[in-house]
Amino acid sequence: QKEVEQNSGPLSVPEGAIASLNCTYSDRGSQSFFWYRQYSGKSPELIMFIYSNGDKEDGRFTAQLNKASQYVSLLIRDSQPSDSATYLCAVQDDMRFGAGTRLTVKP
Amino acid sequence: NAGVTQTPKFQVLKTGQSMTLQCAQDMNHNSMYWYRQDPGMGLRLIYYSASEGTTDKGEVPNGYNVSRLNKREFSLRLESAAPSQTSVYFCASRTGSTEAFFGQGTRLTVV
Repeated sequence: QKEVEQNSGPLSVPEGAIASLNCTYSDRGSQSFFWYRQYSGKSPELIMFIYSNGDKEDGRFTAQLNKASQYVSLLIRDSQPSDSATYLCAVQDDMRFGAGTRLTVKP
Repeated sequence: NAGVTQTPKFQVLKTGQSMTLQCAQDMNHNSMYWYRQDPGMGLRLIYYSASEGTTDKGEVPNGYNVSRLNKREFSLRLESAAPSQTSVYFCASRTGSTEAFFGQGTRLTVV
């Protein structure tokens, strides 16, 4: 059984801090990953994808992939209350998702 | 451009009733997916269709059937609803391994 695991949280950070969200996966053959954001009562929306080892930056968001250790992470710098949402990690190939981590950014 | 459209948005069923959730996409995508989302469980894949005419089981297919009616439409059927099927259902579509786009969800309650 292929597994994608995330700490469901909730994770709470103060406004302006760095939020760190982690995801591990069991299938060593998985090559690339999505990070989706889901606001309460809404559908998921893509914020980043990553397929190479190392870091990928997009504005305040940085995705990190370490294939040897089988983990993917998402860093949110200068966190804002509008970043409060559930963040879902997914394997790009088979579209399997983790349980999601609920993030709250407190003003 | 509507994207992915799901109907209905809300539904209440009695145990044992049947219903079909409809999903249609207008992005000419090949692949379509059905997920359910329960509190603390993330998105769990029920069934998917990699292309018109094909369907495959996902992680939690028991109690569901699907039909890929044509390239645009992918329906999910509950033949005999059970309280354990109370959930929010999402349909998604994409082409290849690109970004998947989601519908707005169907909130189903089985009493």
